Formats: sequence, structure tokens, C-alpha cells
Amino acid sequence: QKEVEQDPGPLSVPEGAIVSLNCTYSNSAFQYFMWYRQYSRKGPELLMYTYSSGNKEDGRFTAQVDKSSKYISLFIRDSQPSDSATYLCAMRNAGGTSYGKLTFGQGTILTVHP
Amino acid sequence: DAGVTQSPTHLIKTRGQQVTLRCSPKSGHDTVSWYQQALGQGPQFIFQYYEEEERQRGNFPDRFSGHQFPNYSSELNVNALLLGDSALYLCASSWRQGSYEQYFGPGTRLTVT
Repeated sequence: QKEVEQDPGPLSVPEGAIVSLNCTYSNSAFQYFMWYRQYSRKGPELLMYTYSSGNKEDGRFTAQVDKSSKYISLFIRDSQPSDSATYLCAMRNAGGTSYGKLTFGQGTILTVHP
Repeated sequence: DAGVTQSPTHLIKTRGQQVTLRCSPKSGHDTVSWYQQALGQGPQFIFQYYEEEERQRGNFPDRFSGHQFPNYSSELNVNALLLGDSALYLCASSWRQGSYEQYFGPGTRLTVT
């Protein structure tokens, strides 16, 4: 079983839709939760991070973490064609011997069509 | 301010050969991590370098080795290439080991034939 599970999609939505992307994880030591966006033939770009449980909002993006359920989400409001990309969730420990290592989900391919 | 740069962009090698990939971190960053991203998969952690030493390592064989130079740039070496080593190799830099903010380069696409 993978430490981080993410539905690979693909997900196709019309412009303006609300998009929900999700990951589940099994490692209770994870404390930092990130969402990266990766355009085709590019490296991942950090979108948002959250420490421990809670919500964080940045413009059209909202990240949620529920540590009790080991479940994280990214919501994109008023989605735009420019949001079309692969979205990767990533997690890491707060300390210990592997705290610099990011563990990624498989990535969800999102297409927003006009 | 230049971000993370990697070279070369693309590389084609034959099974059994050796390859060296290079990375220059973002200005002000002193830690470099390397990841392997197979097609359709998320990046997998190979190892991390800080103060010119390998500090952490993922589940990769000893064929994968690296180096960090005094100017914080880094190399990833892979020996005895296998077909399964074909992937996008990503370098990420950060300030200090524990930073959650890792900035990724565009990657090097390695094809092993």
C-alpha cells in the first residue's frame, strides 16, 4: 500500500466549475501538507501548504487537512483553462530522520475546457 | 533571480551506461534534493544533500549516487543504467533541510534504450 493515495483522474470540468482534488495517506507522522501544480514538461510548482489540520485559503484555492481522517483536499473555485495541469499532493514529517523528504501522490490530471 | 536550473534537458543513453545530471539551486538555497518521476506517477525521493553530504536517502539502489559542491550545486550519477531508469529527474532546492518549501527545476528527461 502506498503511503499517499491520489485519484489520477483524469478530471475534465467546464470553465467556472468548482474543482475538488483529494488525497489520503497512511503515515501518522506527516505534519506538513502541500499541493503542487505541474504543467506539461515542467517541474512542480508549490501552490499551497498547510501545517497540521485546518483550512487555508489563497485566492481561488482552498486547502483543507483532516488529520483524524488522514485526508486532504484542494478546492479550486471559478476554474480557468489556465488551471489545466497535473495536481500533486505532497507530505512530509515535522522532524526525525526523514523530515526533508517529500512523499507525493500519483497526481490528478485536470482539464478545464472553455 | 534565476530559479533552479538543470542540465541537460534531455538525454538518451543505452542500457549499462552511466549518466551524470546537474543542478544549480535557486539563489540563497543551500539544500538540494533529487526526485525521480516516472511517466504518470508522482515524484519519488532519491536523496537530499546539505553541507556537501548526503543527509537522507529514499529507496533507491547504490547505483544512484550524488555530490554537492561548495557552491551548493549538485550532481546525480546513475551507473549501470536499466530500462526502468527512464524517467524525468527533478532537482529541488530549499533553504536548510527542514524547509517545506522546495522549489523544483524543469527536470532532465532520461531515456534508456
